[in-house]
Amino acid sequence: GESVGLHLPTLSVQEGDNSIINCAYSNSASDYFIWYKQESGKGPQFIIDIRSNMDKRQGQRVTVLLNKTVKHLSLQIAATQPGDSAVYFCAEDESNSGYSTLTFGKGTMLLVSP
Amino acid sequence: GAGVSQSPSNKVTEKGKDVELRCDPISGHTALYWYRQRLGQGLEFLIYFQGNSAPDKSGLPSDRFSAERTGESVSTLTIQRTQQEDSAVYLCASSPEWASQSYEQYFGPGTRLTVT
Repeated sequence: GESVGLHLPTLSVQEGDNSIINCAYSNSASDYFIWYKQESGKGPQFIIDIRSNMDKRQGQRVTVLLNKTVKHLSLQIAATQPGDSAVYFCAEDESNSGYSTLTFGKGTMLLVSP
Repeated sequence: GAGVSQSPSNKVTEKGKDVELRCDPISGHTALYWYRQRLGQGLEFLIYFQGNSAPDKSGLPSDRFSAERTGESVSTLTIQRTQQEDSAVYLCASSPEWASQSYEQYFGPGTRLTVT
């Protein structure tokens, strides 16, 4: 039978490198975006968010870039560490229904080698 | 403070049996969400509760799935007559009232359901 979704896109980097994880979103009406990190056996954990009226936002070692023209979102992690190894999901929120409705991407696995 | 908790952490059941999964949201969070995550996949929205409003059930995959929430506290997700395709991790998340500054959803650790 078809093996669906068992091969996440994977990014392998060396410790200390900068990592860039990309995400294409689907809805031009989405006005809020979040990046989540999910470690094995755990629920997703919030990393950083950005609203559609911004094109860049920085956190501690992380930067999110938003390009609304091509509906593209990226997460940059500076000086990647082994503890950053996880699956990273982008999520978009249309927020046109009066409450948060997150639509998640399929995820990218980040593997950091010491 | 305490985060979102879910129980059980793992559940193995036989095909055709009913299962009930529990979520305890963060105290004071008015919104509660259930998601399903199949192996190697992203999160699939199932159902949303906000205060005393009618829940958004648009993501429930079939009438075998149902969920309840008592006020702004505990929620249970029930799957009747389980099928092997129901095997997945079921994640619960809660968030503050929508009008707050952040739409961040706080996730629990999930319940891993295996249907044999």
